[in-house]
Amino acid sequence: NAGVTQTPKFRVLKTGQSMTLLCAQDMNHEYMYWYRQDPGMGLRLIHYSVGEGTTAKGEVPDGYNVSRLKKQNFLLGLESAAPSQTSVYFCASSPLLSYEQYFGPGTRLTVT
Amino acid sequence: SQQGEEDPQALSIQEGENATMNCSYKTSINNLQWYRQNSGRGLVHLILIRSNEREKHSGRLRVTLDTSKKSSSLLITASRAADTASYFCAPISGGYNKLIFGAGTRLAVHP
Repeated sequence: NAGVTQTPKFRVLKTGQSMTLLCAQDMNHEYMYWYRQDPGMGLRLIHYSVGEGTTAKGEVPDGYNVSRLKKQNFLLGLESAAPSQTSVYFCASSPLLSYEQYFGPGTRLTVT
Repeated sequence: SQQGEEDPQALSIQEGENATMNCSYKTSINNLQWYRQNSGRGLVHLILIRSNEREKHSGRLRVTLDTSKKSSSLLITASRAADTASYFCAPISGGYNKLIFGAGTRLAVHP
């Protein structure tokens, strides 16, 4: 039981490049979330999903898109990366009848 | 959901001492959770307290909730160096378990 995994662990992009971050969970959780964490700050919610095929905006959705084609996967896309998107990105999942969120190990993204 | 505000921002103690962190929020809640984050790692859920509970224990952790003051506290007793981490509270008042985090309390426990 791997829990929540994130791919890749590290990535360096140039301004304007695109990339997709993959989050996978093997716990059959309904809810999934993408957060970003900047140095010395708490996590901010980017987008979330309450089920396969559904997504919704969080606190800071601009510049990001998401998709949840399969229940176990939640993808975060950056179409045209900007230096302001340099951050650590965390994915989390949560079961339907519990409030607890389970977090992945994070992806450290640097945009130069 | 709403953001919790943790206080103090940083706390430095010796092993064996108790550590107390506080959280304040603005509107009524369904429940409130505490999470721990070790440096560079994902968050780990510690404890959840429901709005109709006043105190909850889990091992060396004690959480209190005062809904009239819109505040919560996390007490770690007999702290260990391994407790060194950032601690975040997350009040939940909406659906879909959406969490909004504050800047957290950075706890350093010195051997």
